[in-house]
Amino acid sequence: NAGVTQTPKFRVLKTGQSMTLLCAQDMNHEYMYWYRQDPGMGLRLIHYSVGEGTTAKGEVPDGYNVSRLKKQNFLLGLESAAPSQTSVYFCASSYWPVRAYEQYFGPGTRLTVT
Amino acid sequence: SQQGEEDPQALSIQEGENATMNCSYKTSINNLQWYRQNSGRGLVHLILIRSNEREKHSGRLRVTLDTSKKSSSLLITASRAADTASYFCAGGTSYGKLTFGQGTILTVHP
Repeated sequence: NAGVTQTPKFRVLKTGQSMTLLCAQDMNHEYMYWYRQDPGMGLRLIHYSVGEGTTAKGEVPDGYNVSRLKKQNFLLGLESAAPSQTSVYFCASSYWPVRAYEQYFGPGTRLTVT
Repeated sequence: SQQGEEDPQALSIQEGENATMNCSYKTSINNLQWYRQNSGRGLVHLILIRSNEREKHSGRLRVTLDTSKKSSSLLITASRAADTASYFCAGGTSYGKLTFGQGTILTVHP
């Protein structure tokens, strides 16, 4: 049982390049979330999904797109990376309905945009 | 925008002492959660208190919630060096969404 895994762990992009971050969970969780964490700050919600085939915007969705084609995977895309998107990205999942509020986090992806 | 403020931003104590962290939030919440983050790692859930509860205990952790003041506190008793980490409060709303505070960096000296 690997929990929540994220791929890649590190990435450096040039301004304007695109990339996709992959989050996978093997706990059969319904809800999945993408956050970003900037230095000295808490996490901010980018997008979330309440089930396969669904996505919704969070607090800071601009510049990002997401897809949840399979229940176990939640993809975060950057179509045209900007330096302001330099951050650490965390994926999380939670189990609805029994323990819908406790989130399990992945180890993070450190992204630098130059 | 962040859910609210955490106080203090940094806390340094000796092993065996108690550590208290405070959190204030701005909007209506269903629950208040605390997470721990070790340096360079993901967050780990510590404890959740629902909006209709006032106090909850889990091992060496005690959390309180005052919805009239929109504030919460986390007490870690008998701190250990292994408790050194950043601690975040997060207000829970619909669909399990969380809004995080800025965190308290706790350092426990052996």
